Amino acid sequence: AQSVAQPEDQVNVAEGNPLTVKCTYSVSGNPYLFWYVQYPNRGLQFLLKYITGDNLVKGSYGFEAEFNKSQTSFHLKKPSALVSDSALYFCAVRGRLGNTGKLIFGQGTTLQVKP
Amino acid sequence: GAVVSQHPSWVICKSGTSVKIECRSLDFQATTMFWYRQFPKQSLMLMATSNEGSKATYEQGVEKDKFLINHASLTLSTLTVTSAHPEDSSFYICSAPSTGNTGELFFGEGSRLTVL
Repeated sequence: AQSVAQPEDQVNVAEGNPLTVKCTYSVSGNPYLFWYVQYPNRGLQFLLKYITGDNLVKGSYGFEAEFNKSQTSFHLKKPSALVSDSALYFCAVRGRLGNTGKLIFGQGTTLQVKP
Repeated sequence: GAVVSQHPSWVICKSGTSVKIECRSLDFQATTMFWYRQFPKQSLMLMATSNEGSKATYEQGVEKDKFLINHASLTLSTLTVTSAHPEDSSFYICSAPSTGNTGELFFGEGSRLTVL
């Protein structure tokens, strides 16, 4: 079965500091991996995805994520956090096998960036 | 990027009434759409997969008679919460996959349902 784990309910970081939001996954075969951000009472906005190719993926708003197959991780990173980055972040996975289009989401991590 | 529109964005109804939520793909066709439910400060729970021209596929534990899904055209899927009760109050979000089939989903803005 596919699953995604985000071990941290909340991450606190000072503005200007680097941030990392962790994600590990379990899926049969090679995965499609995604990061989404959600602001209060809004839908999800796509940040970035890993399909194939370079393990370091760059996405929207200066975010990037590194696919690590041996550690089955896909941590989200940003070199310098902004207060406006404060939001709820979701990691998601989709297996390549049994292509149904469904994404399985992690529990979500609240990012709090303080001035 | 592709846009998914969801309506209404919020709705308040009395217990026992039915509420319909619409999800439209505005600039692309979607043979499949996904309906998620989100509780406060929690993750998204996939409720069902909406299939154009055929029956929806429901996830385990989701009552198909309670949450009616219709996908009548390539750009519209609807979720009807029938005989709503306070425990149905939640944030409902629809999504549609990208046409490139790389797994990326485009999400609607969500619909906040409050049942009194």
